[in-house]
Amino acid sequence: DTAVSQTPKYLVTQMGNDKSIKCEQNLGHDTMYWYKQDSKKFLKIMFSYNNKELIINETVPNRFSPKSPDKAHLNLHINSLELGDSAVYFCASSQERGVYNSPLHFGNGTRLTVT
Amino acid sequence: EDKVVQSPLSLVVHEGDTVTLNCSYEVTNFRSLLWYKQEKKAPTFLFMLTSSGIEKKSGRLSSILDKKELSSILNITATQTGDSAIYLCAVSIQGAQKLVFGQGTRLTINP
Repeated sequence: DTAVSQTPKYLVTQMGNDKSIKCEQNLGHDTMYWYKQDSKKFLKIMFSYNNKELIINETVPNRFSPKSPDKAHLNLHINSLELGDSAVYFCASSQERGVYNSPLHFGNGTRLTVT
Repeated sequence: EDKVVQSPLSLVVHEGDTVTLNCSYEVTNFRSLLWYKQEKKAPTFLFMLTSSGIEKKSGRLSSILDKKELSSILNITATQTGDSAIYLCAVSIQGAQKLVFGQGTRLTINP
């Protein structure tokens, strides 16, 4: 069974469109994250939720809006897509609030291409 | 600004060689350092280091943290083609619910 699953795996869309990426974890973890990996392979945090509550918002444009209906799900909605949004988006979860004692478990990523 | 730097960015060796990957950090309130391996998809966890000088080992992989030098190394002995991947170093910071990642080292093992 996949621990952290994201859909879709690939997303190709045109500038200006709105799209969503879904994430679910079946590990029973309390904290979930969205990370963005650019073409140079830098992984940067975007958002973190603990038990449905937003705890990190790392200066991400307002066009990005996360939603956590319950602690097992964290979705990412992106409005008015721009070319610079092209990247791989990783969902992750950790057992405890924060990453001090429990490493992140990553999903397989969603490759977003904006044309 | 918190920063994690890895070197080299890219490394190509032959099967059987031993490699050492480096990670240095400049962060406020260091808590722990983590190593991940990323093949085609999700990064997978390798090690978490919190104490200086204590080596963590898993098979042919080992890692150690030097808090005085603000750095860590990841060693892989008797490399195999399956070790080819991007190795990511990340640091967790006291009071912040996130990891700061380095840019990764792309390791290629040729048969």
